[in-house]
Amino acid sequence: AQTVTQSQPEMSVQEAETVTLSCTYDTSENNYYLFWYKQPPSRQMILVIRQEAYKQQNATENRFSVNFQKAAKSFSLKISDSQLGDTAMYFCAFMTHPFSSNTGKLIFGQGTTLQVKP
Amino acid sequence: EAGVTQFPSHSVIEKGQTVTLRCDPISGHDNLYWYRRVMGKEIKFLLHFVKESKQDESGMPNNRFLAERTGGTYSTLKVQPAELEDSGVYFCASSQGTGSYEQYFGPGTRLTVT
Repeated sequence: AQTVTQSQPEMSVQEAETVTLSCTYDTSENNYYLFWYKQPPSRQMILVIRQEAYKQQNATENRFSVNFQKAAKSFSLKISDSQLGDTAMYFCAFMTHPFSSNTGKLIFGQGTTLQVKP
Repeated sequence: EAGVTQFPSHSVIEKGQTVTLRCDPISGHDNLYWYRRVMGKEIKFLLHFVKESKQDESGMPNNRFLAERTGGTYSTLKVQPAELEDSGVYFCASSQGTGSYEQYFGPGTRLTVT
């Protein structure tokens, strides 16, 4: 069974600085997706960034980038130039590739609460 | 385009009562998922519909939980009878067709069983 672990329950960062959120996972599969989701206070969860396991290049979305280490089963999220609006709970999630499975269920980590301070 | 909606946003019921949660996915999305986050723990998968059929219900905790998706549109999740440990936030998500990886989440229903 797959597991996802986020070992940092809470983190804080000063506005405009860079912060890295950690995530490790365990799986015996070779074809999968990894995601970071963001849930701002009292708002819906939204997808921040995704990484396909077969791609060696790390995904980037504007100020958000990942460090994907497949052999180490590590998938960290780096937020550059942090903004107040980045304050949220961040969830790391795993999905078996939909074409390799009959379901696209997400397996989540415990979440990391990030506070961006002015 | 309207996003995923859930009703109610918050429900407080007594142990032994019945509660029905509703999810309206994004129009045209075949896949509908239910997840639950119990206080302080990770979000856990409950089940997955493809249109009106249950594709995977491996995460349903027990037979007190019943999910339906009438006509492949909205879905309901009924808890009967509710127990204290059922308290938590219930999320619904939807995605398009086969092979879709991006799930769009609703705001969640916070269920409190007293």
